[in-house]
Amino acid sequence: DAGVTQSPTHLIKTRGQQVTLRCSPKSGHDTVSWYQQALGQGPQFIFQYYEEEERQRGNFPDRFSGHQFPNYSSELNVNALLLGDSALYLCASSLTGSNQPQHFGDGTRLSIL
Amino acid sequence: GNSVTQMEGPVTLSEEAFLTINCTYTATGYPSLFWYVQYPGEGLQLLLKATKADDKGSNKGFEATYRKETTSFHLEKGSVQVSDSAVYFCALSDPGLTGGGNKLTFGTGTQLKVEL
Repeated sequence: DAGVTQSPTHLIKTRGQQVTLRCSPKSGHDTVSWYQQALGQGPQFIFQYYEEEERQRGNFPDRFSGHQFPNYSSELNVNALLLGDSALYLCASSLTGSNQPQHFGDGTRLSIL
Repeated sequence: GNSVTQMEGPVTLSEEAFLTINCTYTATGYPSLFWYVQYPGEGLQLLLKATKADDKGSNKGFEATYRKETTSFHLEKGSVQVSDSAVYFCALSDPGLTGGGNKLTFGTGTQLKVEL
């Protein structure tokens, strides 16, 4: 049973470019959340998707957007990249409902030059 | 808003020593509490959870008790191994109001190094 898978593993971009990160949730899960983890910090919540809609959003600018597909997979898009966007981007999936544990992928390491 | 405070690391212990990593939280309502572990180059793995006051979560020799009166969820293990070396994150859940699941608020993490 595959867990949460993310692609690509690593990515290098330059300032001003746009990037798309992808996530396939654990089998049976219908809710996908995205987190940004800066070096040496805890993950920060970006947003969450359920039933193909953004349900909750953290304190991130509109440059960060996402999408969920009918098969529950998800994309994170970041426009007009800044140096400060360099981080590990983690996808987590869960069943809907409060108190359901989230299962994390290994992340995409994004470096901005 | 919600927040989680963890003791700063790194914490360096000898193998078979007793481990405590402190975690306190601030939240409205009744959140669930979690400990996650992150090994180098990997994502986060759920270690244990507790969903209500006085619950004790346990897994792989680790345990933590949800203390509402002290707003704490300290992680303990009686005898650590070299393989326990990792970064440990305390987190609380914030249930969504519009469907979907909870969102997690994390502490900054505590690095544990266990030496022979």
